[in-house]
Amino acid sequence: GENVEQHPSTLSVQEGDSAVIKCTYSDSASNYFPWYKQELGKRPQLIIDIRSNVGEKKDQRIAVTLNKTAKHFSLHITETQPEDSAVYFCAASGNNAGNMLTFGGGTRLMVKP
Amino acid sequence: NAGVMQNPRHLVRRRGQEARLRCSPMKGHSHVYWYRQLPEEGLKFMVYLQKENIIDESGMPKERFSAEFPKEGPSILRIQQVVRGDSAAYFCASSGNRGRLQYEFFGPGTRLTVL
Repeated sequence: GENVEQHPSTLSVQEGDSAVIKCTYSDSASNYFPWYKQELGKRPQLIIDIRSNVGEKKDQRIAVTLNKTAKHFSLHITETQPEDSAVYFCAASGNNAGNMLTFGGGTRLMVKP
Repeated sequence: NAGVMQNPRHLVRRRGQEARLRCSPMKGHSHVYWYRQLPEEGLKFMVYLQKENIIDESGMPKERFSAEFPKEGPSILRIQQVVRGDSAAYFCASSGNRGRLQYEFFGPGTRLTVL
């Protein structure tokens, strides 16, 4: 089955700096890669996603890149703000009838004011 | 358009009791997924259901856990004879029926505490 690795597990940045979180996946047939933000005690919220026919996608301060050959994808947050502090999860799916998600272990992002 | 609903939001059980967790998908959605999140960990897939059918239960423990999604009413995740290790947040997600890949929208979760 699919295996998703996520790094780093914790990331501390100064407000205004950029943050980058990286994930690798094992199943070359996976074709959908969402990113979720989870605040303490809350549900995971989809913030951006990318499908395998696209190499990069951007939404304001958030961007995701995908390298299918290397089987890795990354989340980039620019001009970080304290409200960006949360746990971020990457996930992969696609090579199964139900498209269920395999999640990475999460990255705790702390943005210091 | 109401989102995915889960209840209860918090559930406390003693060891050996049963826990029933309910999930109502978004209106128009016919696919339900259950995920478990242990403290300080990521979400792990448990089971995928469509109405009256279990499609994939590969992530579900073989004993004590069962799930259903009846023709009418919410999806139910049932845990019999709970143990302390079952303490976790259980999230339900639903997706619709257009195209092959769907966005999964998560409910608020049920936080189960086993004493």
